[in-house]
Amino acid sequence: DARVTQTPRHKVTEMGQEVTMRCQPILGHNTVFWYRQTMMQGLELLAYFRNRAPLDDSGMPKDRFSAEMPDATLATLKIQPSEPRDSAVYFCASGSQEQPQHFGDGTRLSIL
Amino acid sequence: SQKIEQNSEALNIQEGKTATLTCNYTNYSPAYLQWYRQDPGRGPVFLLLIRENEKEKRKERLKVTFDTTLKQSLFHITASQPADSATYLCALESGGGNKLTFGTGTQLKVEL
Repeated sequence: DARVTQTPRHKVTEMGQEVTMRCQPILGHNTVFWYRQTMMQGLELLAYFRNRAPLDDSGMPKDRFSAEMPDATLATLKIQPSEPRDSAVYFCASGSQEQPQHFGDGTRLSIL
Repeated sequence: SQKIEQNSEALNIQEGKTATLTCNYTNYSPAYLQWYRQDPGRGPVFLLLIRENEKEKRKERLKVTFDTTLKQSLFHITASQPADSATYLCALESGGGNKLTFGTGTQLKVEL
């Protein structure tokens, strides 16, 4: 059964440090999404790509967050510098046009 | 402003009964709506998709209705089981392609 793979599953670091989260989408899916989930805000879309091109990153704080797809098998989300308010679970999902999204199991990030 | 509302309080029901979860939205005109299930520590998992021209969709013990006049979707689980205990998220198509905006979810607990 094809799955979206996210690494690391957990990350604890001090504020000011750079954090990189990685995602391997399902082969054949042309759309990749990055979400952040917190108790207060729920699941929020940060950015998404279609055919590796960024389509919308309006949900992402531009000054510290960046998202890229260096190739079709890898998507990355970076935070530099990290802040305590960035603590959340970050999910990657992949899909194709108007089809359901398949989620990874997330990266639980804690910024001390 | 755009809003998606799901029951914020947890729903507790007895095994064997029908669970009904509600998703209301304002200032959206979604082409389709999806329901996902999320277990603790896991990513959301797709359950059902219903399009704007469909009134009802079924899959095994699950049923979804979609009323675009009321701007509401109802999600039913019949003959509920403790294994159905999870958080259920509704998601609206919100911008073309398969970009989704998620509700905050309803936690369902099915008791013996």
